[in-house]
Amino acid sequence: DTAVSQTPKYLVTQMGNDKSIKCEQNLGHDTMYWYKQDSKKFLKIMFSYNNKELIINETVPNRFSPKSPDKAHLNLHINSLELGDSAVYFCASSQDLMGLYGYTFGSGTRLTVV
Amino acid sequence: AQTVTQSQPEMSVQEAETVTLSCTYDTSENNYYLFWYKQPPSRQMILVIRQEAYKQQNATENRFSVNFQKAAKSFSLKISDSQLGDTAMYFCALRSGNTGKLIFGQGTTLQVKP
Repeated sequence: DTAVSQTPKYLVTQMGNDKSIKCEQNLGHDTMYWYKQDSKKFLKIMFSYNNKELIINETVPNRFSPKSPDKAHLNLHINSLELGDSAVYFCASSQDLMGLYGYTFGSGTRLTVV
Repeated sequence: AQTVTQSQPEMSVQEAETVTLSCTYDTSENNYYLFWYKQPPSRQMILVIRQEAYKQQNATENRFSVNFQKAAKSFSLKISDSQLGDTAMYFCALRSGNTGKLIFGQGTTLQVKP
């Protein structure tokens, strides 16, 4: 039973389209995150939610909109996709807001914009 | 600003030998947490080891141990008895502040050779 699951694993789409990535965790964790891993493998935080409340909102274009319907789910919707959005997007969760024990990551979604 | 630097983009080691991956960081906080994550070719991010800054004792997890030098702001990972399955990209990460945000280094690609 996967702890943090993301769908889809791969996503190929054209510029200008709108797409969503879904994430679910069954660990009972309070906090969930979205990270972006670029082509050079650099990982950078985008958003975090704690019990459905937005905590971290880094300098991300407002074409990216996270949504957390409950603490077990965190989805990422991207409008008007651009070539530069191509990356691997990771969902992660931590026990609580402090994240003292690190994260459990999903397996990532490779987004390719053509 | 908090930063994490991994100065070795690539390393290789013979199977059964020992290798050390370097990481330096910068933070103004006194209480923080450091992590090493492994990302094999499967893309999954796996927590390898965790260190609390206020603990003098270096963390150990089976064949993985750290050399934590707080004054020097250095946090290296030692892998003993390297195995082929250790081939992966390794990321050093710093958790600071009150939001659970992890700041990652650029990563070190480790190749274990038979």
